Amino acid sequence: GESVGLHLPTLSVQEGDNSIINCAYSNSASDYFIWYKQESGKGPQFIIDIRSNMDKRQGQRVTVLLNKTVKHLSLQIAATQPGDSAVYFCAERGAGGKLIFGQGTELSVKP
Amino acid sequence: DAGVIQSPRHEVTEMGQEVTLRCKPISGHNSLFWYRQTMMRGLELLIYFNNNVPIDDSGMPEDRFSAKMPNASFSTLKIQPSEPRDSAVYFCASSLEGPLSEQYFGPGTRLTVT
Repeated sequence: GESVGLHLPTLSVQEGDNSIINCAYSNSASDYFIWYKQESGKGPQFIIDIRSNMDKRQGQRVTVLLNKTVKHLSLQIAATQPGDSAVYFCAERGAGGKLIFGQGTELSVKP
Repeated sequence: DAGVIQSPRHEVTEMGQEVTLRCKPISGHNSLFWYRQTMMRGLELLIYFNNNVPIDDSGMPEDRFSAKMPNASFSTLKIQPSEPRDSAVYFCASSLEGPLSEQYFGPGTRLTVT
């Protein structure tokens, strides 16, 4: 079956450091992946996406890396700021286009 | 745009009572999604509509759950009768066209069933 999971449930970093959040997926046929950020009391917010024909995609301070060989996805946040503190979810597009979300990693940024 | 609007933001009810959650999608979006979020199971898709028609309801837990979308600007998720295990945060999201386009989430409704 399809499943998406996260390696680290919590991550604590110092302000200004880079953060790396990891995600493993099980369906090698998945063609599209998304990272979401969820702040306390709010709904998930789209950060960045990547299609399976790419290995890397960069946004503003964020980079997503996709390793299809080991079915691994990561989100890198450069110069992490207190405002980056949130739970981060990876999501995989499964059959019929339905999004399957991972369990989430809580990122805590220490000032 | 005000984004996806959900009401109520918080709901506390007793077991056996009917609960109705409401959602107004972003104007112009053709697709609407209902999700449930719990610590144990994470974020799960319950049902989604395209052009007001239910497309995939395979995530609806059981017959106690029902969802409607009478028009393009309004949807409800109803639980009758509610049970303590239904306690969760319920999110509504909308997208321009189907699950292949970016989904915008509402703030959620936190439901507590005692």
